[in-house]
Amino acid sequence: QVQVEQSGAEVKKPGASVKVSCKVSGHTLRMHWVRHVPGIGLEWMGTFNPENDEATYVEKLEGRVTMAEDPSTGTAFMELRSLTSDDTAIYYCAPSLVHYDAFDLWGHGSMVTVSS
Amino acid sequence: DIQMTQSPSSLSASIGDSVTISCRASQSISVYLNWYQQKPGEAPKLLIYSGSSLQRGFPERFSGSGSGTHFTLSINGLQAEDFATYYCQQSSGFPRTFGQGTNVEVK
Repeated sequence: QVQVEQSGAEVKKPGASVKVSCKVSGHTLRMHWVRHVPGIGLEWMGTFNPENDEATYVEKLEGRVTMAEDPSTGTAFMELRSLTSDDTAIYYCAPSLVHYDAFDLWGHGSMVTVSS
Repeated sequence: DIQMTQSPSSLSASIGDSVTISCRASQSISVYLNWYQQKPGEAPKLLIYSGSSLQRGFPERFSGSGSGTHFTLSINGLQAEDFATYYCQQSSGFPRTFGQGTNVEVK
């Protein structure tokens, strides 16, 4: 059974960066990143395609976010820069494993708190 | 961006009840519509994909239907483990977008 291991909680100051990692035990078609913002709901942040190393981001995060994969370990990561309190959320990696157009499996979530 | 609107935002029901959740897209998305179930303190789980296909591991009391702009998730005979928040999500285009969620709670 495919498993997803995600990095732990982080506390960051405004203006800092955070990097969340995600390791999947099986083949990934696409790696999506979704965050759950309190009071807002689920927000898709972007996706990384390991087949061609291409990333697609939601427009509001363009320039602040990077999604990629470390080829030496096969671990996916999402880096978000210039953090503000609005970025306080639970961050999930959600790989497409079998269904190209769905988030088949979700990591347990990484709580990122941005506070001075 | 494709906007997804769910209704109701919450509903109260009893065990054994049948419930229906609606999800509307701001433009046609064919059947590129998925449903997720999320319980408190847990990550979401894929429940229905491609509008009507039941994900392995979920019972057949869950069903999805619809195409174009209007979709529904039905639960036929609520069980205790079904009380959760349900989200629809479109995969027709980027950015992927979610509905705001429907909280199914105990009456």
